[in-house]
Amino acid sequence: EPEVTQTPSHQVTQMGQEVILRCVPISNHLYFYWYRQILGQKVEFLVSFYNNEISEKSEIFDDQFSVERPDGSNFTLKIRSTKLEDSAMYFCASRRGLGDEQYFGPGTRLTVT
Amino acid sequence: DAKTTQPPSMDCAEGRAANLPCNHSTISGNEYVYWYRQIHSQGPQYIIHGLKNNETNEMASLIITEDRKSSTLILPHATLRDTAVYYCIVRVASDYKLSFGAGTTVTVRA
Repeated sequence: EPEVTQTPSHQVTQMGQEVILRCVPISNHLYFYWYRQILGQKVEFLVSFYNNEISEKSEIFDDQFSVERPDGSNFTLKIRSTKLEDSAMYFCASRRGLGDEQYFGPGTRLTVT
Repeated sequence: DAKTTQPPSMDCAEGRAANLPCNHSTISGNEYVYWYRQIHSQGPQYIIHGLKNNETNEMASLIITEDRKSSTLILPHATLRDTAVYYCIVRVASDYKLSFGAGTTVTVRA
């Protein structure tokens, strides 16, 4: 069964550093998402992406965040200058088309020290 | 902006049916009811969704009341691997982002 994959599984970085979290969505999916979950808190929507542009973003997704689909398979989330409060699990999700459910990856645990 | 209300936790005996309630009294006609679960900080896993009719798949059944103000997710034969946080989410047909609440922590006991 096709899966969403994410790398790395755990990323440790120092405050102020840039990080790139990588996702490989399911191959025939067209809609892509990033969510995050701070430890002990709810899963929060960050951004949705379709047809090579952002469809919607939340208040969390400020100028420090960006997304990109650099090729036909990867979907990345970049945080330019990490803060301590960016420490969280980051989940990528993808969806094939209208009416279809989202499939989530296993997540990347980001720890900012 | 909580649209759903779920009990914070519930226990279930292994092999028995688990019935997970969800209230969504302000649901609109174009809003779907989705259920996801999250096993120990893994990525959320889709279970089932419905609009008006009851739905069944290989994982679970979804019973939606006639007035659509509440629903019940049924895991027919709970196993220890069903221990997870279960999220009931109401989603507008045209808006695909998912708004997760706190969910129900289900513990299946042997």
